[in-house]
Amino acid sequence: EAQVTQNPRYLITVTGKKLTVTCSQNMNHEYMSWYRQDPGLGLRQIYYSMNVEVTDKGDVPEGYKVSRKEKRNFPLILESPSPNQTSLYFCASSLVTSGYWNEQFFGPGTRLTVL
Amino acid sequence: GENVEQHPSTLSVQEGDSAVIKCTYSDSASNYFPWYKQELGKGPQLIIDIRSNVGEKKDQRIAVTLNKTAKHFSLHITETQPEDSAVYFCAASNHQGAQKLVFGQGTRLTINP
Repeated sequence: EAQVTQNPRYLITVTGKKLTVTCSQNMNHEYMSWYRQDPGLGLRQIYYSMNVEVTDKGDVPEGYKVSRKEKRNFPLILESPSPNQTSLYFCASSLVTSGYWNEQFFGPGTRLTVL
Repeated sequence: GENVEQHPSTLSVQEGDSAVIKCTYSDSASNYFPWYKQELGKGPQLIIDIRSNVGEKKDQRIAVTLNKTAKHFSLHITETQPEDSAVYFCAASNHQGAQKLVFGQGTRLTINP
């Protein structure tokens, strides 16, 4: 089944304790992205990657890191989480076609609480 | 940069009636406008999209209209059913190469039986 998977689905942690949220897709998509969803703010892009070893900042990158060493994986790293990073996180992926938009497929989400 | 405003934030309609959700965008260069549906506990899923070279697109009970002059686009759901209850997001982009979407704030749609 074509899908985007995220782990963990739920995480409660404490301020300053490094964590990683994994994202994997099995559709051979070049593009992957991380979003956070907060009430009243919609989805805001954190980082995205156009292909292996190519990453760029989205609208709210502060406090986050990403890496893209393999095409299928795009982990989100919080080196020193703070309470304002409590949110619902989504990973997404899509094909890249020059001059044409392709559908973004979203994972099921990771609910993160930082105490 | 692009800014997308979505209204209303909540919408409640009787089953069988129509629902309309509206979005405005700020960047006149935007040329791609998708709509996503998010069911409880799940990630958003694309339900329909429109590109700037057309003014309207329809898929069964769902339609999207685009007014580039006024910089707004709308989602229309006819003959609503209980399974249409969800959060709906609009988005806009002009960055085809970067695949960068800017989302609206979301609308929680409730269909009352």
